[in-house]
Amino acid sequence: EVQLAQSGAEVKKPGESLRISCKGSGYTFSKYWITWVRQIPGKGLEWMGRIDPSDSYTNYSPSFQGHVSISADRSISTAYLQWTSLRASDTAMYYCARGPTAFDYWGQGTLVSVSS
Amino acid sequence: EIVLTQSPGTLSLSPGERATLSCRASQSVTSTYVAWYQQKPGQAPRLLIYGSAGRATGIPDRFSGSGSGTDFIFTISRLEPEDFAVYYCQQYGSSPWTFGQGTKVEIK
Repeated sequence: EVQLAQSGAEVKKPGESLRISCKGSGYTFSKYWITWVRQIPGKGLEWMGRIDPSDSYTNYSPSFQGHVSISADRSISTAYLQWTSLRASDTAMYYCARGPTAFDYWGQGTLVSVSS
Repeated sequence: EIVLTQSPGTLSLSPGERATLSCRASQSVTSTYVAWYQQKPGQAPRLLIYGSAGRATGIPDRFSGSGSGTDFIFTISRLEPEDFAVYYCQQYGSSPWTFGQGTKVEIK
């Protein structure tokens, strides 16, 4: 069974760094891109970027380029979404999803709360 | 960037009725690379339709999609109680991939 298991909820202060994770199982991790999607509470879905775990090629939405980074470790079938300096406006649910085209499997989401 | 505009914003219908949702793209979507997702409160989105008209694994045939170019339609032929949710279209033909703002299908 294909599963994407995300790390738990986080509470952070503005300016802090954070890395959240998404572990794939039940399939060959390197054969499918992993995408990250943001959902601000009560709002819609926003595509942030994606990574090809086979070679770590990444592609970002201009809206998120330079503020987040996506990486992957094939050896442990895990993808990451990272911030070096969080803002209050980063408060949202973050989902990983399996690509490379339409997203057929999704993680359960990681809620990130940023507040002073 | 391709902007997707979904209409209507909210659709109020009764179980058994037909739901028709629209997704219009600001420019032509490559190779009909449009998907539709369902999201219920507190849950992750679920893929229903890919490639404009292909049903994802395990999706009932009351869900269907069509369209090409800039205009795409998603239809639920007969609403079941579990179908009341928010639906999003998404294009993956041109980077950055983008989502529509969503259509909420609510019980009338």
